[in-house]
Amino acid sequence: DARVTQTPRHKVTEMGQEVTMRCQPILGHNTVFWYRQTMMQGLELLAYFRNRAPLDDSGMPKDRFSAEMPDATLATLKIQPSEPRDSAVYFCASGLEGTPYEQYFGPGTRLTVT
Amino acid sequence: QKEVEQNSGPLSVPEGAIASLNCTYSDRGSQSFFWYRQYSGKSPELIMSIYSNGDKEDGRFTAQLNKASQYVSLLIRDSQPSDSATYLCAVSTNYGGSQGNLIFGKGTKLSVKP
Repeated sequence: DARVTQTPRHKVTEMGQEVTMRCQPILGHNTVFWYRQTMMQGLELLAYFRNRAPLDDSGMPKDRFSAEMPDATLATLKIQPSEPRDSAVYFCASGLEGTPYEQYFGPGTRLTVT
Repeated sequence: QKEVEQNSGPLSVPEGAIASLNCTYSDRGSQSFFWYRQYSGKSPELIMSIYSNGDKEDGRFTAQLNKASQYVSLLIRDSQPSDSATYLCAVSTNYGGSQGNLIFGKGTKLSVKP
């Protein structure tokens, strides 16, 4: 049963601490997306990788967020330092380039920054 | 700014009725259109995709696309209480550096009453 996995599922941290979220895309998928979901803003794209290369991170606050894909089976999203306004659910999704170009979501990481 | 607009609802329908969910988008270059279902506390789940004008049926679900009017809809026939969820419309281009990027609407909350 191919699915996207994310760890941790829940994270509570204090303001100023570093947070690292991990994602394992579906085997064979060559695109990975990081989204943030809040009640106010809905789903927002933070970063987008194709064949491990970052293509679009315009949605990400550059001063505190960073996204990497050290290998084809792991994508990371890091926040340093974290702030209360970063509290949200962070989703990773993966897809296979081509048509149809469908994205499949992981279960998400619920982040609470106090 | 590319936008996807949905009525936030809640849309309430009785069990067995047809639920009609609507979405408009701003980018005329959009090529691919998706409907995701998101249960409370869960991740978005892809339920329908449509790429050409007209209707596409899958079980109780029918997606309708009108590119001239920049309008996409989802019909759910014989609605069940288990269909109660938030439905997210997503739109993508199939060209250029943003290929595969999805722009999401904020979703319509559907409630099916027994």
